[in-house]
Amino acid sequence: DSGVTQTPKHLITATGQRVTLRCSPRSGDLSVYWYQQSLDQGLQFLIQYYNGEERAKGNILERFSAQQFPDLHSELNLSSLELGDSALYFCASSSRDRGLRGTEAFFGQGTRLTVV
Amino acid sequence: AQKITQTQPGMFVQEKEAVTLDCTYDTSDQSYGLFWYKQPSSGEMIFLIYQGSYDEQNATEGRYSLNFQKARKSANLVISASQLGDSAMYFCAMREQYSGAGSYQLTFGKGTKLSVIP
Repeated sequence: DSGVTQTPKHLITATGQRVTLRCSPRSGDLSVYWYQQSLDQGLQFLIQYYNGEERAKGNILERFSAQQFPDLHSELNLSSLELGDSALYFCASSSRDRGLRGTEAFFGQGTRLTVV
Repeated sequence: AQKITQTQPGMFVQEKEAVTLDCTYDTSDQSYGLFWYKQPSSGEMIFLIYQGSYDEQNATEGRYSLNFQKARKSANLVISASQLGDSAMYFCAMREQYSGAGSYQLTFGKGTKLSVIP
């Protein structure tokens, strides 16, 4: 158990809809990262939050947004869903900056989103 | 150009044998980190091993070791004494010098599917 909790585990929704994925990081971790894993694009970094503030953006679509709350949990909002948004969405957390030495990111079990 | 290249889409290994999964990377940073993750069919991403660019010794974690050749920009994963439970997707990933303060996102390769044969 990585200590990172993602809900729900599975989500099936229709095109055009909006969904919210939730992530609770490991206790004490201030950084939350969102990744998307799809068959054609592989694992891609979407966005990072650090202690409530957006820190870095990757290949995140404008239809997607995220936020991190004062209790450090994070939500990824996906709107106007398309068939191509079907993927496994991972949340990862890591501890406060200690440089590049051994600060691995711990991944949640993922949310499998299916858009029909 | 791809930052992380895993050239083996699939690999087979006999149980109890050793196997090497290849990974090459591309970065202009001097300080970076290399990771290997395992993804079983259940989907979770399991951290296996980490190598820092300034580490002089190759990293080892139990049956996992990382063959780090900095000049060749390769970071191959070696699994010794393969077990049936090692059957999974394996991803190589890199964390470069941050693009912004405190940002350490990972760039992943496309993965290698390892199948262990009894």
